[in-house]
Amino acid sequence: DAGVIQSPRHEVTEMGQEVTLRCKPISGHNSLFWYRQTMMRGLELLIYFNNNVPIDDSGMPEDRFSAKMPNASFSTLKIQPSEPRDSAVYFCASSLGVAGREQYFGPGTRLTVT
Amino acid sequence: SQKIEQNSEALNIQEGKTATLTCNYTNYSPAYLQWYRQDPGRGPVFLLLIRENEKEKRKERLKVTFDTTLKQSLFHITASQPADSATYLCALVNTGNQFYFGTGTSLTVIP
Repeated sequence: DAGVIQSPRHEVTEMGQEVTLRCKPISGHNSLFWYRQTMMRGLELLIYFNNNVPIDDSGMPEDRFSAKMPNASFSTLKIQPSEPRDSAVYFCASSLGVAGREQYFGPGTRLTVT
Repeated sequence: SQKIEQNSEALNIQEGKTATLTCNYTNYSPAYLQWYRQDPGRGPVFLLLIRENEKEKRKERLKVTFDTTLKQSLFHITASQPADSATYLCALVNTGNQFYFGTGTSLTVIP
């Protein structure tokens, strides 16, 4: 199995630009999570999908952030417009969706907004 | 407010010794507690899971305890090796499958 795939691995953009991060979960997993990791705040859950439906988006910082999961094998996290404080590593993770099951993380996307 | 605290300082130990990492929490009622390892530049990797009605779990050189009265989990690595050097994260999971991660403890095993 290829594991969770994220793209791009690195993104550098200017403030005000739109950024789209992509994730392909492990085949057969029905839960998908987006996280943001910074030194100051650690790993923060942004949004959680189960069977392609957003279950909890309370961690999404503000309206500039949006996430979609059009099918079981693809999800996007979009930031529009981006700001320097959005600079972080963004991780996608998937799991089998039964409560408490372990999550499998992708390699992350390092986002730098200048 | 809700809070998850792990060892505030980085942990340095000699090879062969037992490393003990702590995870304390307030204002959570987790159904599960998980431990992950994270290496620089990589995503976290799952190590162990313990349920709220379990006191202890073991896997090879790893042991986790979970005390819901003290609101604390301890993570032990016995016979530590330099390859165990990494950051270790605890995660609280509720019955709604929401995950809350601690900020992690950096462990260095000195040869």
